Amino acid sequence: QFVLTQPPSASGTPGQRVTISCSGASSNIGTNTVNWYQQLPGTAPRLLIYGNNQRPSGVPDRFSGSKSGTSASLAISGLQSEDEADYYCAAWDDSLSGRYVFGTGTKVTIL
Amino acid sequence: EVQLVESGGGLVQPGGSLRLSCAASGFTLSNYEMNWVRQAPGKGLEWISCISSSGGTTYFADSVKGRFTISRDNAKNSLYLQTNSLRAEDTAVYYCARGIIHDYWGQGTLVTVSS
Repeated sequence: QFVLTQPPSASGTPGQRVTISCSGASSNIGTNTVNWYQQLPGTAPRLLIYGNNQRPSGVPDRFSGSKSGTSASLAISGLQSEDEADYYCAAWDDSLSGRYVFGTGTKVTIL
Repeated sequence: EVQLVESGGGLVQPGGSLRLSCAASGFTLSNYEMNWVRQAPGKGLEWISCISSSGGTTYFADSVKGRFTISRDNAKNSLYLQTNSLRAEDTAVYYCARGIIHDYWGQGTLVTVSS
């Protein structure tokens, strides 16, 4: 059911910058905006970025999103220990009868 | 404060049914489309259904189409997911999430399908 592809893992040391990619298609990322979610261990997902590059209130500006064509990216700058989590991209997909699709997820590890 | 609280999960035999509920507070439910998302143990997130703010339009993932039904009662500030013909692969934590962008999530309710 996953139509958005992410790398399974990414890592960095405290203070570094990490980028996570999200590859889709014309029916999802190519047409609709991308949202990103952070899931800390044992907790529910949390909205991190919406509308490709907008941060909800309370999300640090260390997190940023971008989109180009059928791909999107999430960047985390100034990596902190509390950023160790799973990250998912998502977008509406206009194919078939319409559905919301999540990425495969990326586990970020702080070295 | 926006809150979503799921309930109704539990252990059920294959072929059985469960009705999941999501109680909403801190906002006007009737203003928002609502969603159900699930996560199998150790796996990623899977969107399974959404319902328009009025309840007049629904969407389902292919994996649950024909077996699950989504509904809402805006007067009771509640969202529901009726799950029928459950299979082992439906075992997951089920979350309700608010709006097109899924900006608020509940804590989830665990559904275990096993004999």
